[in-house]
Amino acid sequence: DQQVKQNSPSLSVQEGRISILNCDYTNSMFDYFLWYKKYPAEGPTFLISISSIKDKNEDGRFTVFLNKSAKHLSLHIVPSQPGDSAVYFCAASGGAGGTSYGKLTFGQGTILTVHP
Amino acid sequence: SQTIHQWPATLVQPVGSPLSLECTVEGTSNPNLYWYRQAAGRGLQLLFYSVGIGQISSEVPQNLSASRPQDRQFILSSKKLLLSDSGFYLCAWSVSDPPLFGPGTRLTVL
Repeated sequence: DQQVKQNSPSLSVQEGRISILNCDYTNSMFDYFLWYKKYPAEGPTFLISISSIKDKNEDGRFTVFLNKSAKHLSLHIVPSQPGDSAVYFCAASGGAGGTSYGKLTFGQGTILTVHP
Repeated sequence: SQTIHQWPATLVQPVGSPLSLECTVEGTSNPNLYWYRQAAGRGLQLLFYSVGIGQISSEVPQNLSASRPQDRQFILSSKKLLLSDSGFYLCAWSVSDPPLFGPGTRLTVL
């Protein structure tokens, strides 16, 4: 049972344009969502998170949007840069704080390629 | 600053051999520690977590075990490896922030 899904295995974008990565979840108990970026043979790097009490969180070029009714979140990268090329994982947990912080359910990942 | 170490970085082991992967954390006390595995073409799956010395919770039934002999040390073990144990193993820690991941160990079981 895939509780967190990233239905696009890959995304190709031109430098300077917007990258939109999507994620869907099925478990209504999830209330904290995160995005990680991962390069091959390295551990994931935390990018941005959002609590279910919000519908938007912004950090520099990265913005995460949450639509609770649709159980959908998306990561927007504007403007996209070649250095953003990596695998992006969406993750969800049952809450912030305590062990819940680290007990994450991950999607399968989306490979983002930003062309110069 | 907090740092997380994992070793070895890569490992090739025959089926039926034992396994020991180590994770250590620096710059924090009493962290929550986690072992994740990424199988080929898949997302990360939580295997074990620990809230303190000697306290281990398993998330999925499997051929592996975990131990936490010291506050900032987390070990992943197996007595006999299976082909299906191949993957990229990641240790993570958290206290009051989103979990941070170590560099990972690539395990290939032949």
